[in-house]
Amino acid sequence: AQKVTQAQTEISVVEKEDVTLDCVYETRDTTYYLFWYKQPPSGELVFLIRRNSFDEQNEISGRYSWNFQKSTSSFNFTITASQVVDSAVYFCALRNQGGKLIFGQGTELSVKP
Amino acid sequence: ETGVTQTPRHLVMGMTNKKSLKCEQHLGHNAMYWYKQSAKKPLELMFVYNFKEQTENNSVPSRFSPECPNSSHLFLHLHTLQPEDSALYLCASSQEARGGITDTQYFGPGTRLTVL
Repeated sequence: AQKVTQAQTEISVVEKEDVTLDCVYETRDTTYYLFWYKQPPSGELVFLIRRNSFDEQNEISGRYSWNFQKSTSSFNFTITASQVVDSAVYFCALRNQGGKLIFGQGTELSVKP
Repeated sequence: ETGVTQTPRHLVMGMTNKKSLKCEQHLGHNAMYWYKQSAKKPLELMFVYNFKEQTENNSVPSRFSPECPNSSHLFLHLHTLQPEDSALYLCASSQEARGGITDTQYFGPGTRLTVL
């Protein structure tokens, strides 16, 4: 069975702090895809990144970076120098080839000025 | 960019009403999805349409009825709903290959439904 665990329900930081959102997944498939989505208060799920199981390279996009480690089944997301606009609920998700998209419970990030 | 649009954005209805939610995707995708997001719960997949055929019905009560007239439009018809059906309903689309190759799902802004 597939499962995604985001152990941090809520995180609160002060602006300019770095913050890491944890994601641990379970799957028996050798080919799978991992995603991060951002859900601001408006409700729309905004796609941030997709990572294939056979590509363990870490990725950086501006203030965002992702650390994919198959050995620990983790796909963590770090925001550097957080800003108030980063306040949102962040979802990690897993999908095997042709299967359903399985979401974690989400982590609510609050960035205070 | 508004690749996936949903209307209405907010809906309040009584338990005896009939209403429909509409989703339209402008991304040229061939698969569309309905998800339900209740407070404090993860997103739940409701329906999947792949190449206009329903390929998934995730044990959804019959008071929810999907319709996919073409690959760009998806409806969710609602009738005799219950207060526990109040939630955010999200539509998504993706480009799926028949060989099962998975692509990214892009979501609309959602319809916030309140059932009185």
